[in-house]
Amino acid sequence: DSGVTQTPKHLITATGQRVTLRCSPRSGDLSVYWYQQSLDQGLQFLIQYYNGEERAKGNILERFSAQQFPDLHSELNLSSLELGDSALYFCASSLPGRAAETQYFGPGTRLLVL
Amino acid sequence: GEDVEQSLFLSVREGDSSVINCTYTDSSSTYLYWYKQEPGAGLQLLTYIFSNMDMKQDQRLTVLLNKKDKHLSLRIADTQTGDSAIYFCAESPMNTGFQKLVFGTGTRLLVSP
Repeated sequence: DSGVTQTPKHLITATGQRVTLRCSPRSGDLSVYWYQQSLDQGLQFLIQYYNGEERAKGNILERFSAQQFPDLHSELNLSSLELGDSALYFCASSLPGRAAETQYFGPGTRLLVL
Repeated sequence: GEDVEQSLFLSVREGDSSVINCTYTDSSSTYLYWYKQEPGAGLQLLTYIFSNMDMKQDQRLTVLLNKKDKHLSLRIADTQTGDSAIYFCAESPMNTGFQKLVFGTGTRLLVSP
């Protein structure tokens, strides 16, 4: 158990819908990262937040957005969903300044868009 | 550019050593990581190595780094069936300020009894 929690574990929805994925980082970690794992794209970095502010952006679609709240939990919002958005979405957290700034991953949310 | 490559599949017998290889392109990466993903599970950090090191050993795991060739390997000694999983190497390019990990495609390790 990495200490990072994600809910829900599974999500099934229809095209055009909007969903919210939630992540709680490890106690004390200030950074939260979101990754998408799909069969065709592999593991891709989406976005990072540090202490409530966006720090870095990767291959995140405009239909996707994220935020980090004062209690440091984060939400990833996916809207106008398409079949190709079906994937495993991981959240990771780290404590900047720690050697190697190692990222610890949650169990993921498996999203299926029908 | 950022590109991390791994072979897709490795099959070994229980008790043998496994060697999983990885090549990366960004020489600015200060740390390189190995993660393990079991079926239906998240990514578990196995180990990492600092770029000024050639080798790091942690129980059954040995990481070798050839910075000149940008080659990273993970050796698992006395491989067990419980080691069957997908193994990802990852780099953290310095130009991203360590903000993200760039992952390889993953190597599926199958350990047979």
